[in-house]
Amino acid sequence: DVKVTQSSRYLVKRTGEKVFLECVQDMDHENMFWYRQDPGLGLRLIYFSYDVKMKEKGDIPEGYSVSREKKERFSLILESASTNQTSMYLCASSRVTSGRIHEQYFGPGTRLTVT
Amino acid sequence: DAKTTQPPSMDCAEGRAANLPCNHSTISGNEYVYWYRQIHSQGPQYIIHGLKNNETNEMASLIITEDRKSSTLILPHATLRDTAVYYCIVRPRTSNQFYFGTGTSLTVIP
Repeated sequence: DVKVTQSSRYLVKRTGEKVFLECVQDMDHENMFWYRQDPGLGLRLIYFSYDVKMKEKGDIPEGYSVSREKKERFSLILESASTNQTSMYLCASSRVTSGRIHEQYFGPGTRLTVT
Repeated sequence: DAKTTQPPSMDCAEGRAANLPCNHSTISGNEYVYWYRQIHSQGPQYIIHGLKNNETNEMASLIITEDRKSSTLILPHATLRDTAVYYCIVRPRTSNQFYFGTGTSLTVIP
């Protein structure tokens, strides 16, 4: 079974703090993704990575950065947390074969509260 | 990506089949139909996908109409643990984007 793990299930941070959310997958998947989920807005893509050190902006990258130094690990960074970044953050990964992108597998999510 | 339309909520009696419909009338030839579900406070879980043929796995069956404009996810014997929000998504196989709409909230009733 694919396993995607996230470093924390719940996190509380103060406004202005730098926040790191870590995601690890154990299936050697090429692609990794970060989403946030808010009531009434569904899942929105923040960033994705298709290879080590490679990244692409999603729909809502403002206020976030990412890092992928190893294939299995994808980090989401909130440079200066703000209250409007309070949300559920979801990491996902997927494999790629012959240019075809397969289904995404999600981690359990991190519920971040910024006070 | 094609837009999907799902009913906002459905109920199903425990042990009965749950049939979840999805309309995707603007689907194009290279777009697949994917189904995910999300149990409260957990990450979405992949269920099944298909292009034009019906598909079955250990979790569910996917029935796609001949014109591909709609599909139905079937959970053959619903249990209380199947209570979740079910998302129908269409996307090209070469796209990294999965657009999750608001889905169908399925409640399995004892």
